[in-house]
Amino acid sequence: IQLTQSPSSLSASVGDRVTITCRASQGISSYLAWYQQKPGKAPKLLIYAASTLQSGVPSRFSGSGSGTDFTLTISSLQPEDFATYYCQQLRTFGQGTKVEIK
Amino acid sequence: QVQLQESGPGLVKPSQTLSLTCTVSGGSISSGGYYWSWIRQHPGKGLEWIGYIYYSGSTYYNPSLKSRVTISVDTSKNQFSLKLSSVTAADTAVYYCAREGAAMGFGELLYNWFDPWGQGTLVTVSS
Repeated sequence: IQLTQSPSSLSASVGDRVTITCRASQGISSYLAWYQQKPGKAPKLLIYAASTLQSGVPSRFSGSGSGTDFTLTISSLQPEDFATYYCQQLRTFGQGTKVEIK
Repeated sequence: QVQLQESGPGLVKPSQTLSLTCTVSGGSISSGGYYWSWIRQHPGKGLEWIGYIYYSGSTYYNPSLKSRVTISVDTSKNQFSLKLSSVTAADTAVYYCAREGAAMGFGELLYNWFDPWGQGTLVTVSS
């Protein structure tokens, strides 16, 4: 399978609502995971099974979708959220979406 | 909580074998229920899954790397290891070890996730 994230990058301001999309080339699984990676750090699991928030992750992060289309939403962007986000299904990762400060 | 730590040489010569070890603390590989994976990230690029091992020793590798990859486990030391043979500059990357959780249904993988991850170790292939 291939996972395509859009956009590849975006600029946003603190407090903005941000949405990142991940599209799978095949509907093999109805589930997806999302990760946040900051420079020089390992990826951090945010969401698994498409919409289950990992323990300790702020509730402003949410995930939705099924089939081939999935979404990660940050309801109110915080300064610590500027990072690159990856989706993952089975053992394939998306190419990443970099969220930058506007 | 479970923590993972990669170790191994940061510089490998072309055509040689890259060898890394991941030490697991705060939990036992032998307790089962999880797969233990290696994932790499080329500089400035995305994430590529390399392969996993289960505590029993069963393995599964990325088909694109399968001919060069060996993953092994030492449950007595609570470690698992990666060997990648015949390396080239294209194998220069940050290598992560990670624990993979999985949900099964009717004997098939429904979904999985990687958590936690090691901090990562940069391996440079250069003469």
